Amino acid sequence: QKEVEQDPGPLSVPEGAIVSLNCTYSNSAFQYFMWYRQYSRKGPELLMYTYSSGNKEDGRFTAQVDKSSKYISLFIRDSQPSDSATYLCAMSAGGSYIPTFGRGTSLIVHP
Amino acid sequence: ETGVTQTPRHLVMGMTNKKSLKCEQHLGHNAMYWYKQSAKKPLELMFVYNFKEQTENNSVPSRFSPECPNSSHLFLHLHTLQPEDSALYLCASSQGNGAGAGEQFFGPGTRLTVL
Repeated sequence: QKEVEQDPGPLSVPEGAIVSLNCTYSNSAFQYFMWYRQYSRKGPELLMYTYSSGNKEDGRFTAQVDKSSKYISLFIRDSQPSDSATYLCAMSAGGSYIPTFGRGTSLIVHP
Repeated sequence: ETGVTQTPRHLVMGMTNKKSLKCEQHLGHNAMYWYKQSAKKPLELMFVYNFKEQTENNSVPSRFSPECPNSSHLFLHLHTLQPEDSALYLCASSQGNGAGAGEQFFGPGTRLTVL
């Protein structure tokens, strides 16, 4: 079993839809959870950063962590074509901070 | 220049060539990383440098040779590569190799094609 599982997609949605992106993980030591966004021909950029369980909201984006289920989600409300990108989840443990990345999910928001 | 820059952006090389990738960070960070990104695969950590010292080598073949002359510059020297080494090579930096290392800042990458 891979440490971090993420469906590569692609996920295609109409503009204005609510998007749900998810990752599961197996290492219960992970405490820091991140979402990166990567546009075509660019490097990943940090979108959301959360510690332990719970929700974090930033504009149209909400990151959710459920440590009991080892499951994290990123919700995008009112999705826009400019949200079309690959979204990578990443997580790290308390004692070793270099993150482990998922494969990334390709999201396409069509007008 | 701001953030993390990488040159060249694209590189095509034969299996017998020697080339180098360059990365520069303008963020005052202390840690720098090389990652390999292949289609449909997770980012693969290759090397980590913290305060110019290599702290991690993730079982990378010796045909990849990193160099970190100072905290702002990182190189990846390439020689006798294989076609399966074709990928996007990403450089990243972070404040340190400890708490906060998860907040990594990436360059745009070098798209490498090995013929």
